[in-house]
Amino acid sequence: AQTVTQSQPEMSVQEAETVTLSCTYDTSESDYYLFWYKQPPSRQMILVIRQEAYKQQNATENRFSVNFQKAAKSFSLKISDSQLGDAAMYFCAYRTIQGAQKLVFGQGTRLTINP
Amino acid sequence: KAGVTQTPRYLIKTRGQQVTLSCSPISGHRSVSWYQQTPGQGLQFLFEYFSETQRNKGNFPGRFSGRQFSNSRSEMNVSTLELGDSALYLCASSSDSVFFYEQYFGPGTRLTVT
Repeated sequence: AQTVTQSQPEMSVQEAETVTLSCTYDTSESDYYLFWYKQPPSRQMILVIRQEAYKQQNATENRFSVNFQKAAKSFSLKISDSQLGDAAMYFCAYRTIQGAQKLVFGQGTRLTINP
Repeated sequence: KAGVTQTPRYLIKTRGQQVTLSCSPISGHRSVSWYQQTPGQGLQFLFEYFSETQRNKGNFPGRFSGRQFSNSRSEMNVSTLELGDSALYLCASSSDSVFFYEQYFGPGTRLTVT
């Protein structure tokens, strides 16, 4: 079974600075998807960024980018120019490439943005 | 396009009772997945329905069940509620095409069991 580990329960960063959230995973599959989801307080979970394992190029979405190290099974999220609206729980998630829409989530990292 | 909706948003039940939660997916989406979120266990997959069929099931007891209707709306039922069933229950919908795998989450139903 696949597992996802987020070793940082909480992180904080100054507004406008850069922060990196860590995620490692364990799988025996060669193809899969990885995601970062954001869950603001009392608000819906939304997808921040996704990465297909077969793509070597790291995904980027505006201020959000990932560092995908397939051999190391590492998938970190970098948030540049942090904004107050980035404050949320961030979840790393894994999905097998075949089969049902089942996401395996990490325990989450609570990100605080200091003004 | 309207997002994923879940009803009710909040629910308080007594141990031993049963509860039914509802999820309406985004129009056109045929896949609905359910997750349980608790502070201790985090986010855990319950089950997924696609075209009225359960396609995958997580490691939860048989007290947790679900179904999907022809309009893709889904319900999950928890019977004989236990205190540990207190959680935020999230549903997510997806179009489930070959090239599209993003899941859109609803706001959740907060269930409190007393």
